[in-house]
Formats: sequence, structure tokens, C-alpha cells
Amino acid sequence: NAGVMQNPRHLVRRRGQEARLRCSPMKGHSHVYWYRQLPEEGLKFMVYLQKENIIDESGMPKERFSAEFPKEGPSILRIQQVVRGDSAAYFCASSPSQGRSTEAFFGQGTRLTVV
Amino acid sequence: LAKTTQPISMDSYEGQEVNITCSHNNIATNDYITWYQQFPSQGPRFIIQGYKTKVTNEVASLFIPADRKSSTLSLPRVSLSDTAVYYCLVGVYNQGGKLIFGQGTELSVKP
Repeated sequence: NAGVMQNPRHLVRRRGQEARLRCSPMKGHSHVYWYRQLPEEGLKFMVYLQKENIIDESGMPKERFSAEFPKEGPSILRIQQVVRGDSAAYFCASSPSQGRSTEAFFGQGTRLTVV
Repeated sequence: LAKTTQPISMDSYEGQEVNITCSHNNIATNDYITWYQQFPSQGPRFIIQGYKTKVTNEVASLFIPADRKSSTLSLPRVSLSDTAVYYCLVGVYNQGGKLIFGQGTELSVKP
């Protein structure tokens, strides 16, 4: 059973371009979470999705950022018109269900560099 | 939401036992206590989870006193490869399913 797969591992974008980060959850997992980690900082929650639904996007910036988890295919975190401050590691996690004992599995992350 | 407080950093030497304590005074009745480990340039990895008393697995032990207002992650005989950031999380269930990470404890193991 493959783990959470994120691609690309490294992404370089020029200011103003779009960045698309993909996350394939573990098989059987229907819950996906996205986090951002700036250098030397902790993980900041961005968004929590289930298939075709955004459950909690309280950590998402109001503009330029969007996320989806379609019925088929990976979850996508999209950043439009990137700026240098978007440079960070973006991690995706998945879990099989929401419950009292929730273990989430994280991917290796996508490191976005905006030049 | 239950807030957690951990030491920002700790130093240890190979072979020693390391105990990292997390305070969570506002823990709710239904809250679990979960610890994650993060190596540089990698995603966090689940270590252990507990509700009360003591939990042990192949990696660590988790001690939770009766009042549950704190918990201690115990790493037996650490090695250099245990150098990482350790996060204590509380209240996953009551926070709508999302994991909220605090600042974590940066553990440095020296030879």
C-alpha cells in the first residue's frame, strides 16, 4: 500500500505564474489535509477536504489559493499569481476517517520556490 | 480548543532516555493526545497516541497522568537518528478532524 504521494517534490515558479500541487491519498482514505510550512516554522493548517467537498478552509488565504478533491484523481492545491512569500513546503496528509483516534499519514511534501 | 505548550528545544546524548513533556490544561473529556515526529525536509510521522495512563509501542511510550493536563513522550535510548522536531497534538476529534500543530520541540541528539 503506497503512502501519500505528492508531486512534484520541487517546483520553481516565477512571480505571477500559477502553481499546482498534487496529492494522492493512501488507498481507502477519503480525508485530505493540506499544510504549509515556512522555513524554520511549524506546520500551518490550510484546508481539510473530503471527496468533492471542502470541510474546513479556515487556514486558506482568502485570495489566490484554492483546493479541490474530486471524485476521481488526486487532490489539487492551486496557487494563482504566486509571490515570493508563497515559497514554502506544502504537505498533504490523508486519513481513513474522522474519529476519536485519528492517525494521519503525511506525504513528503512539495517545496515551492518563487523566483 | 486545547492549547499545548512544549519546550522549544532539548539536547540529549546517544543512549540516553529522553522525556518531552507537553502541557494541555484545557484538554476536553473526549480529546486524545497524539505525538508526531518530523525530520528535516520530510512530512510529519505519527508516533503514538493515548487517552489516559500509559501507552507503549515499538518507538516510544506515552505517560498521561490522571488529570490528563499534561503528557510525557518518552524515547528510550535515543540515537542520532532521533534528532527531529516532536509535536504534541490534543483534541483532534473536537477540532473538526483537522490536526493543529503547535511549535513542537526540536530534539538534538549528540554523539
